[in-house]
Amino acid sequence: NAGVTQTPKFRILKIGQSMTLQCTQDMNHNYMYWYRQDPGMGLKLIYYSVGAGITDKGEVPNGYNVSRSTTEDFPLRLELAAPSQTSVYFCASSPDRLFQETQYFGPGTRLLVL
Amino acid sequence: AQSVAQPEDQVNVAEGNPLTVKCTYSVSGNPYLFWYVQYPNRGLQFLLKYITGDNLVKGSYGFEAEFNKSQTSFHLKKPSALVSDSALYFCAVRDREVLSGGYNKLIFGAGTRLAVHP
Repeated sequence: NAGVTQTPKFRILKIGQSMTLQCTQDMNHNYMYWYRQDPGMGLKLIYYSVGAGITDKGEVPNGYNVSRSTTEDFPLRLELAAPSQTSVYFCASSPDRLFQETQYFGPGTRLLVL
Repeated sequence: AQSVAQPEDQVNVAEGNPLTVKCTYSVSGNPYLFWYVQYPNRGLQFLLKYITGDNLVKGSYGFEAEFNKSQTSFHLKKPSALVSDSALYFCAVRDREVLSGGYNKLIFGAGTRLAVHP
């Protein structure tokens, strides 16, 4: 199993550009998450999904959108990039509600908005 | 509001010595507590969790954590540190507030960098 994979590893965006961060998991997990990690801070939840077709906002959803058309994929969309979105983005998954905190993380995408 | 605090930005330990990474929490009711580790250029990896039961919880890679309700602490420990344990360690607690989709998110501490020297 590859686990949770994320692409790209690193990206530089100009202010106002848009992009999609890709996330795929091959563990058949129902729960998937997007976090951002800022220097000196813990992870903040952006969006999450409890299954295909279901997505919900986390604590910092503004400026982002997600979709979950399949169990495997959970892309994160930035529509109008802003410098405040410079961060490291992590996708994660977990099998179900009972083990929702045993999350498996991808390697991250480092995003720089200039 | 629920929160966790990791009072040390960095902990330095000699290889072979015991290590402790500190975490304190503030939650209403019984806490669900977790430790994650992040190796350089990698995502976080789950280490261990406390839900209920024994106050000493054993996890991956020889780590354990001690839940202390009176001190509201959940310190991570290992009897003998390895250089390969050098990483960023995050403590987390399950939030009591339920998000709109029925999920209780994790609240993460800011992280403690552990440096184990040969």
